[in-house]
Amino acid sequence: GENVEQHPSTLSVQEGDSAVIKCTYSDSASNYFPWYKQELGKRPQLIIDIRSNVGEKKDQRIAVTLNKTAKHFSLHITETQPEDSAVYFCAASGLDSNYQLIWGAGTKLIIKP
Amino acid sequence: DSGVTQTPKHLITATGQRVTLRCSPRSGDLSVYWYQQSLDQGLQFLIQYYNGEERAKGNILERFSAQQFPDLHSELNLSSLELGDSALYFCASSVSSTSGNTIYFGEGSWLTVV
Repeated sequence: GENVEQHPSTLSVQEGDSAVIKCTYSDSASNYFPWYKQELGKRPQLIIDIRSNVGEKKDQRIAVTLNKTAKHFSLHITETQPEDSAVYFCAASGLDSNYQLIWGAGTKLIIKP
Repeated sequence: DSGVTQTPKHLITATGQRVTLRCSPRSGDLSVYWYQQSLDQGLQFLIQYYNGEERAKGNILERFSAQQFPDLHSELNLSSLELGDSALYFCASSVSSTSGNTIYFGEGSWLTVV
């Protein structure tokens, strides 16, 4: 079945720098890749998603890139701010997972002042 | 506010007891998902219902069961509770069960088993 690996598990960056989180997936038929942000003690919230017919998507300081050949997708956060501190989860879904979201283990992003 | 409502927000119960968690999906959403998140852990998918029928099963223990009612609200029943069942339980909903549909999470129910 589908497997999603997420790296790194913890990422510490200086405020104002960029952060990149990478996920790899196993099912080449996966076609939907969302990213969720979870602040401490709160619910996960969708921040950006991408479908397999698109290579890149941007929303202000956040972007997601998809490399279907290599089967990986990445979250890019530029000009990081303290409020970006959170756990970020990637997920993938497609035929092999019966369209269920298969989740990465999460990345704890720490923004250092 | 995601539109997904979960009750109770917090509960403390003793080992061996049984609890029921309740979820009302967003208006118009037919699919309901249940997730378990232990402290500092990831999201463990438990079960999904679509329009009243079980659609997918994850790592749900036999002591746990769920259902979705005709009005589309869902309940997760946890029985013979153990200390290790202490976790944050999320309900989420989406319009359909196919790929590409955003799932929206509720605020969660914090369960503490003592």
